[in-house]
Formats: sequence, structure tokens, C-alpha cells
Amino acid sequence: EPEVTQTPSHQVTQMGQEVILRCVPISNHLYFYWYRQILGQKVEFLVSFYNNEISEKSEIFDDQFSVERPDGSNFTLKIRSTKLEDSAMYFCASSEWEEAGELFFGEGSRLTVL
Amino acid sequence: GDSVTQMEGPVTLSEEAFLTINCTYTATGYPSLFWYVQYPGEGLQLLLKATKADDKGSNKGFEATYRKETTSFHLEKGSVQVSDSAVYFCALRNSGGSNYKLTFGKGTLLTVNP
Repeated sequence: EPEVTQTPSHQVTQMGQEVILRCVPISNHLYFYWYRQILGQKVEFLVSFYNNEISEKSEIFDDQFSVERPDGSNFTLKIRSTKLEDSAMYFCASSEWEEAGELFFGEGSRLTVL
Repeated sequence: GDSVTQMEGPVTLSEEAFLTINCTYTATGYPSLFWYVQYPGEGLQLLLKATKADDKGSNKGFEATYRKETTSFHLEKGSVQVSDSAVYFCALRNSGGSNYKLTFGKGTLLTVNP
């Protein structure tokens, strides 16, 4: 069964460093998303991406964050100059079309900022 | 804004016990409601959904009924199994907003003991 895969599963970084989280969405999907969950808090929407551009982003998704689909298969989330409060589980998701309703999620990448 | 509140966990049950995980929501318009499940080491998976009031979503023995009058979407299962041990997330998608943006609750960890 097709699935969304994410790497790394866990990354530890020092405050101020840049981090890139990678995702391979399901191959025929057109819409891509990042969500995150800070420990003990809700899963929060960060950004959605379609046709090589951001469709919508939340207040959390400030200039520190960027997304890219560099090669037609990977979908990346870059966090520049990480902060302690960026420590969270980051989930990538994809969907076939907007109206489908079902988002397929990856296992998540746990980011720990020291 | 939209929000989802679900029962704080963790919930620990014995096999064959009855399960209820409460979920209530706040939203304008006519949201669709979802339960997602995350098994250990896996991504979030759609468990069931309901798109309008009084709809009942069901899957794998789980059920939830969309109650507009009480703004609730409680998850129930009559007889849980050890394999149901997972984190359960209630979520909504508001028809007045982006079709693809989900608003999640915090998640409820369920552990079923043999």
C-alpha cells in the first residue's frame, strides 16, 4: 500500500542550526502539507503546498520556515536558525485532491533542539 | 477560531472492555469531523469520518456520531482489543475554510491490556 515516508525519524540539533526535514509523498498526490505537534499539545497545521507554491500557511509558519519540492518526489521543510521552541514532532501529509478529505500522513520526524 | 477538545489520556482498559473517547468541537459553519489513529511507529491514519449532522462514521468496530446539538463526535467501541492500543486524534475540517486544513485535538493514548 502506498505510504508517505519521512526522514529522519529523529534529529537532534543545536539552537541556531538549520534543519531540513524530508518527506516523500504518495506518488500520484498533488497536495502536500506539514503539521507539527509540540509535546503535550495539539497537532497544528503549518503549511499546504500545491503546484509548486504555498497554498496556505498558518501564523506559526514565519520567515524561519520554508518548503520546497526540489525534484518532483521529495517535499522538504527547512527551519533556519532553530529555536528551542521548534522542538516537536513534524508530520508530512499528502492528498490526491483538495476535496478528497483524506490526508495520508507520514510517521513523523521528531526534532529536538538543544 | 475552530477548535477541538478531546478527552485527556492516557486511557487504560482491559481487553473486551467498552471504549468511549469524548470529543467536542467549536466551529462556524458546517464542519466535517474525523477520527485519526496513530499506531506505534506509524503515521496518522484516518479511522472514520462524518460529513454532516447525524451521520455515523464507522470502521474496524469503532463508531462516532456527528451530534450538532451537542457539538460532539465521541468515539466508541464495544469491545476493545490489544491491537487497538494507539493514540486517537479527533479533528475537524471546516467547510467555510480551506478544504484541506485539519484542526486537531491533542490526542488520547489508549492502552489495552490482555
